[in-house]
Amino acid sequence: DIQMTQSPSSLSASVGDRVTITCRASQSISSYLNWYQQKPGKAPKLLIYAASSLQSGVPSRFSGSGSGTDFTLTISSLQPEDFATYYCQQSYSTSVTFGQGTKLEIK
Amino acid sequence: EVQLVQSGAEVKKPGESLKISCKGSGYSFTSYWIGWVRQMPGKGLEWMGIIYPGDSDTRYSPSFQGQVTISADKSISTAYLQWSSLKASDTAMYYCARQPAPWAGHGMDVWGQGTTVTVSS
Repeated sequence: DIQMTQSPSSLSASVGDRVTITCRASQSISSYLNWYQQKPGKAPKLLIYAASSLQSGVPSRFSGSGSGTDFTLTISSLQPEDFATYYCQQSYSTSVTFGQGTKLEIK
Repeated sequence: EVQLVQSGAEVKKPGESLKISCKGSGYSFTSYWIGWVRQMPGKGLEWMGIIYPGDSDTRYSPSFQGQVTISADKSISTAYLQWSSLKASDTAMYYCARQPAPWAGHGMDVWGQGTTVTVSS
């Protein structure tokens, strides 16, 4: 399996901050990288697909970049509703895998 | 409205069998893959496997191969996840999700509400 490692595992930030979450793959996955947001008690929500494409309906403060093994999710100006857990997911190999998650908390 | 509606919460004993469902509506069910994702209490997301209802092509994560069976009945737009003999460690929330083209850069864009499975003696 391709291992996906996110950093940091948790992060404290304030409303209005710019935040970056990193995801590293154990081998090259081209641009087959997706990002999800999950709030407590809710199903995950797709934010970014193919490393940098914004899913329909997702605010433009979310952006993704990267290719190969290193990827980032950036939130340009944190809003109260953005405090959640974020997961990356590779869909390069037949066996899809998620990162372990990054919990974004209010400072 | 495109949606996936999952079956209700289940409480089972170890060794029992179980089949949970995921019904799609508002789109062509046979044209999109449906994946299953496990989330154990307080833990992260784990991809279990995926099925293409159009031809029942199914792929499993090595971690779940042989532990569960994924199937679909396209006549009623429903995908299934089943266990033949549950263990306490199967206690988790299970989500189904639609994926347009898993290995062509598309993410899981529509999710079910989740089914809680509790296995306890």
